[in-house]
Amino acid sequence: DVKVTQSSRYLVKRTGEKVFLECVQDMDHENMFWYRQDPGLGLRLIYFSYDVKMKEKGDIPEGYSVSREKKERFSLILESASTNQTSMYLCASSFPVVTPFYEQYFGPGTRLTVT
Amino acid sequence: TQLLEQSPQFLSIQEGENLTVYCNSSSVFSSLQWYRQEPGEGPVLLVTVVTGGEVKKLKRLTFQFGDARKDSSLHITAAQPGDTGLYLCAGERDDKIIFGKGTRLHILP
Repeated sequence: DVKVTQSSRYLVKRTGEKVFLECVQDMDHENMFWYRQDPGLGLRLIYFSYDVKMKEKGDIPEGYSVSREKKERFSLILESASTNQTSMYLCASSFPVVTPFYEQYFGPGTRLTVT
Repeated sequence: TQLLEQSPQFLSIQEGENLTVYCNSSSVFSSLQWYRQEPGEGPVLLVTVVTGGEVKKLKRLTFQFGDARKDSSLHITAAQPGDTGLYLCAGERDDKIIFGKGTRLHILP
């Protein structure tokens, strides 16, 4: 069965802390994605990766960075967390059958609160 | 700015009723995906449509892609409490993806 896991379901951090969100997929997918989901704004793409060590900016990359050292793992980094980064963070992966975003599989999400 | 507008935003109906939710845009998409998301969980892919006019069925759920590939609908027959959730559509175009804000569906037993 397809599986995307995220390191934490809930996380509380203080303003200015460095935050790491980890995502692992077991489907051998080339593509991995990080989104944030906010009420009234829907899902917005932060970063995505086509392959190991490759990354592309999404629609809202400011304040975030990513790392993909292994095919199965994609990390989202908040260098200095701020309260406006309080959100639900969703990781996804896909196999590039037709196009990059074709049929994504999502993890359960990490609800991050920055105080 | 490309937008995907979903309607209605909220829908609460009795078990056994039929319903249709919509996903509309002025842009043409190469594919359109529907997801269902339950509280506290990630979205789960229901279906992908790629051809204009395409109809796909998933048990009691019928998905249709508009002829011009700008819009889509999801019809649920005889809704059940297990259908409750947030339904999201997502359109792919020019190596970008756009999500609608969703229709929150509540089926009353």
